[in-house]
Amino acid sequence: QKEVEQNSGPLSVPEGAIASLNCTYSDRGSQSFFWYRQYSGKSPELIMSIYSNGDKEDGRFTAQLNKASQYVSLLIRDSQPSDSATYLCAVNRRPGGYNKLIFGAGTRLAVHP
Amino acid sequence: GAGVSQTPSNKVTEKGKYVELRCDPISGHTALYWYRQSLGQGPEFLIYFQGTGAADDSGLPNDRFFAVRPEGSVSTLKIQRTERGDSAVYLCASSQTGGDEQFFGPGTRLTVL
Repeated sequence: QKEVEQNSGPLSVPEGAIASLNCTYSDRGSQSFFWYRQYSGKSPELIMSIYSNGDKEDGRFTAQLNKASQYVSLLIRDSQPSDSATYLCAVNRRPGGYNKLIFGAGTRLAVHP
Repeated sequence: GAGVSQTPSNKVTEKGKYVELRCDPISGHTALYWYRQSLGQGPEFLIYFQGTGAADDSGLPNDRFFAVRPEGSVSTLKIQRTERGDSAVYLCASSQTGGDEQFFGPGTRLTVL
């Protein structure tokens, strides 16, 4: 079992729809959770961080965390073609109190006009 | 302000050669991380620096890999006797002391022929 698992996709959604991206993690001690967006040929760009159970909203993005189920998700409302990218889920296990990130393999999102 | 910078952006070398990859973190960020990303995978942790010292080098694949950060700012990742399997994008990230959020540089694409 991988430490952080994501569906590789591609997830295809029409423009204007809600895209839902999911991630599960295996280490119950994980404390911080992040979503990065990565365009083809570019480096990861941090778009959301979440630390406590529940929802966190930032513009068109909402991150959801459920520690009991070891599940974190990202919702993108009003999806645009410019949102087409790979979305990486990352988990901070904080061994020894620092921020070693464990990444999933990413989910490729394709938003079509 | 300026983000994380990495040089070179691309490096092509022959099997058995030595390479150095450079990372300049965001000004004032004391934590610096190196990751490696292969095609279709998420970034994989290599090494973490807090200041000048390597706090965790558990991700370095073998003793051909070494990294330094002599003055607590710029870091260099050094790879000896390169192998074709070392081909990947090498990413550097930095964060503030005690901060959870890591910000990535543009990466160095290493190709070993």
